[in-house]
Amino acid sequence: KNEVEQSPQNLTAQEGEFITINCSYSVGISALHWLQQHPGGGIVSLFMLSSGKKKHGRLIATINIQEKHSSLHITASHPRDSAVYICAVDTSGSRLTFGEGTQLTVNP
Amino acid sequence: GAVVSQHPSWVICKSGTSVKIECRSLDFQATTMFWYRQFPKQSLMLMATSNEGSKATYEQGVEKDKFLINHASLTLSTLTVTSAHPEDSSFYICSASKGRFDEQYFGPGTRLTVT
Repeated sequence: KNEVEQSPQNLTAQEGEFITINCSYSVGISALHWLQQHPGGGIVSLFMLSSGKKKHGRLIATINIQEKHSSLHITASHPRDSAVYICAVDTSGSRLTFGEGTQLTVNP
Repeated sequence: GAVVSQHPSWVICKSGTSVKIECRSLDFQATTMFWYRQFPKQSLMLMATSNEGSKATYEQGVEKDKFLINHASLTLSTLTVTSAHPEDSSFYICSASKGRFDEQYFGPGTRLTVT
């Protein structure tokens, strides 16, 4: 069993839909990261959080430390949101362990 | 702010040659830099962590003599793939952080193809 598991692996949505991507982890962490990887490979850090909830534009990330679970929400999804979304946990001193990613496709 | 660049963005080399990849923090000083490798359809795997002025710490299974890492300044780290083989073909990504427990900023990646 991987230390970090994401669901779903693939997600197809229509433009405007509300999207949720889930991440569960089995180890103690100091922080959890949500990353976005575009088709060209470049990675953008979306959120780093250790408790509660963060919001940036149409993106919302939540984490429940007790349940070892985090969610990434995208409101009013748009085709440009199509990318791979990766959950990564910081287990010790910035050493990240990554989930396998969720491929999101938003159709117009 | 917090921009990380990598050079080259892609490289093709012949088996047996060495390739150097640069990772630069453009607008901040990076105390710590990380090197990752990503094979097709797989997630990122941490290869090594480097702190400016000291030897890199390699993850289990990563050959330190094959993947030479030099973090010579607070804005530059290099990864040299020595005696490259086709199985080293991969997407190499660096990240940089201002401090060990700070957020990581990722570079755009370097796609290496060894023929």
